[in-house]
Amino acid sequence: AIRMTQSPSSFSASTGDRVTITCRASQGISSYLAWYQQKPGKAPKLLIYAASTLQSGVPSRFSGSGSGTDFTLTISCLQSEDFATYYCQQYYSYPVTFGPGTKVDIK
Amino acid sequence: EVQLVESGGGLVQPGGSLRLSCAASGFTFSSYSMNWVRQAPGKGLEWVSYISSSSSTIYYADSVKGRFTISRDNAKNSLYLQMNSLRDEDTAVYYCARDPSFAAANTFDYWGQGTLVTVSS
Repeated sequence: AIRMTQSPSSFSASTGDRVTITCRASQGISSYLAWYQQKPGKAPKLLIYAASTLQSGVPSRFSGSGSGTDFTLTISCLQSEDFATYYCQQYYSYPVTFGPGTKVDIK
Repeated sequence: EVQLVESGGGLVQPGGSLRLSCAASGFTFSSYSMNWVRQAPGKGLEWVSYISSSSSTIYYADSVKGRFTISRDNAKNSLYLQMNSLRDEDTAVYYCARDPSFAAANTFDYWGQGTLVTVSS
């Protein structure tokens, strides 16, 4: 199975900050990478697929980039509703696998 | 509005069985592949199983292969997960999730609220 790692595992940020989360795959996955946001007690929400395509209804302050093994999720101007845990997911091959998550909390 | 509503979770002893259900509405269920994804308390997401729209293709995570069975009834707009030989490590919230197909195939665009399965003696 393809192993996904994320960094950092958690960090604190302030509203208005630009934040970047990194995801790395253990082997090349082309652009078959998705990002999800999860808030406590809620189901995950799809933000981005194909590494950089914004899911319908997702604010444009979210963006994704990368291909192969290295990917990033950027939030250009952090809003209060963005404090959450973010997961990457590869869907290059089954079993699809998730990264361990990056928790963004309030500084 | 797309809705996915899971049911069937609960407390079960190790070695026991449980059947989860997911009722779908707001979209043409028979046209979409579906999945089960779980999350152990305080932990990350783990994909469990996939079933194609016609049930012709099924995948399982190695951790559940041989113990869990995914199925669907398109006439009833329902997805199921039969879980046998349950272990402590199967304790998790189980989500059903839709595969959006097309450009985002094999991702998960709609999720249910989850149902908690607790395996404990």
